[in-house]
Amino acid sequence: NAGVMQNPRHLVRRRGQEARLRCSPMKGHSHVYWYRQLPEEGLKFMVYLQKENIIDESGMPKERFSAEFPKEGPSILRIQQVVRGDSAAYFCASSPRDGGWNTEAFFGQGTRLTVV
Amino acid sequence: QKEVEQNSGPLSVPEGAIASLNCTYSDRGSQSFFWYRQYSGKSPELIMFIYSNGDKEDGRFTAQLNKASQYVSLLIRDSQPSDSATYLCAVTGGSQGNLIFGKGTKLSVKP
Repeated sequence: NAGVMQNPRHLVRRRGQEARLRCSPMKGHSHVYWYRQLPEEGLKFMVYLQKENIIDESGMPKERFSAEFPKEGPSILRIQQVVRGDSAAYFCASSPRDGGWNTEAFFGQGTRLTVV
Repeated sequence: QKEVEQNSGPLSVPEGAIASLNCTYSDRGSQSFFWYRQYSGKSPELIMFIYSNGDKEDGRFTAQLNKASQYVSLLIRDSQPSDSATYLCAVTGGSQGNLIFGKGTKLSVKP
């Protein structure tokens, strides 16, 4: 859905660099979910945030990955010291409440991260 | 670990035929079930959701749910080449309502 904005759409990083992925939710949405999709794989849940709070980070790798959703501005998924295995499409979805997947939650267009 | 299983395909059907996509899930407590379509290089888009046992129809699409068998399916009638995509099955699984996705079934509709 065009309302959820992710940028950049494509990001190339060398091994060891940092990657910052941004997600601006739809207007009025205060809940953000991040998913990762490896080539030929389904989407894997990473983290669920509300404004200024991490609600569920059970899908986040323990090291190098972090996420935030400040009071003002987009949600940021940060990957430090990227490795080739981080190459994937990263999607965020926003919702006005918990879940809302039937009618209210929408995915952004994704950021394709390539680590060279 | 809650899991959603799908046949990866590819599933190939001729134009005008019925495409049948299947999905099983491991958590008997799952309540909500979703089918997403994803074109190559694009984001997932919701096609249908279903909560209750039985069938739910929307245009050419019918979702079927059997909670006793932990099975959900999607039927696409009068398949069109534009239906060629990967179809992702998803269930609500986390305590906070996040979706758990299967790996998807790639559908190819041949003219």
